[in-house]
Amino acid sequence: DVKVTQSSRYLVKRTGEKVFLECVQDMDHENMFWYRQDPGLGLRLIYFSYDVKMKEKGDIPEGYSVSREKKERFSLILESASTNQTSMYLCASSWAGIQYFGAGTRLSVL
Amino acid sequence: RKEVEQDPGPFNVPEGATVAFNCTYSNSASQSFFWYRQDCRKEPKLLMSVYSSGNEDGRFTAQLNRASQYISLLIRDSKLSDSATYLCAVNVGSSNTGKLIFGQGTTLQVKP
Repeated sequence: DVKVTQSSRYLVKRTGEKVFLECVQDMDHENMFWYRQDPGLGLRLIYFSYDVKMKEKGDIPEGYSVSREKKERFSLILESASTNQTSMYLCASSWAGIQYFGAGTRLSVL
Repeated sequence: RKEVEQDPGPFNVPEGATVAFNCTYSNSASQSFFWYRQDCRKEPKLLMSVYSSGNEDGRFTAQLNRASQYISLLIRDSKLSDSATYLCAVNVGSSNTGKLIFGQGTTLQVKP
């Protein structure tokens, strides 16, 4: 079974903090993705990566950055958290066109 | 027009009913299509891929209509446990990127 692990299920941070969300997959997938999901807005792609050290912006990259130093790990960074970044964050990895999701991190920014 | 559109519902049906959802997509070059299921406060999980010839998995049948650019999901003999949000997903660009566009999801509530 594909396993995509996100480091935290719930996080509470303060405005202005730097936040790291970690995602690890154990299937040697090349493609990895970060989404946020908000009620009424569905899944929105923040960034994706198709190889180590490679990254591409998704639909809503503003306020976020990513890091992919190793194939199995894809990190999402909120440089200076803001209240409008309160959301559910989902990581996925992909093989043969199918995306497999982690359990998600519910981030609250106060 | 959104690239992938679904009726958000909710669809409220009694146990045992047959229910169908549609999902329209705008890019005629799309090649890969999927249905995901998402339970409340959980991650999306692949329900089934959608092939040109259609495919069936137990009570679930998925169909692709390329001419009208939509995919469908039919659930027969609905169970309480089928209550969830169903997301359709369509590939973008080269299938090598694995990039998908997701619909907003259709919520199904199966009532006793």
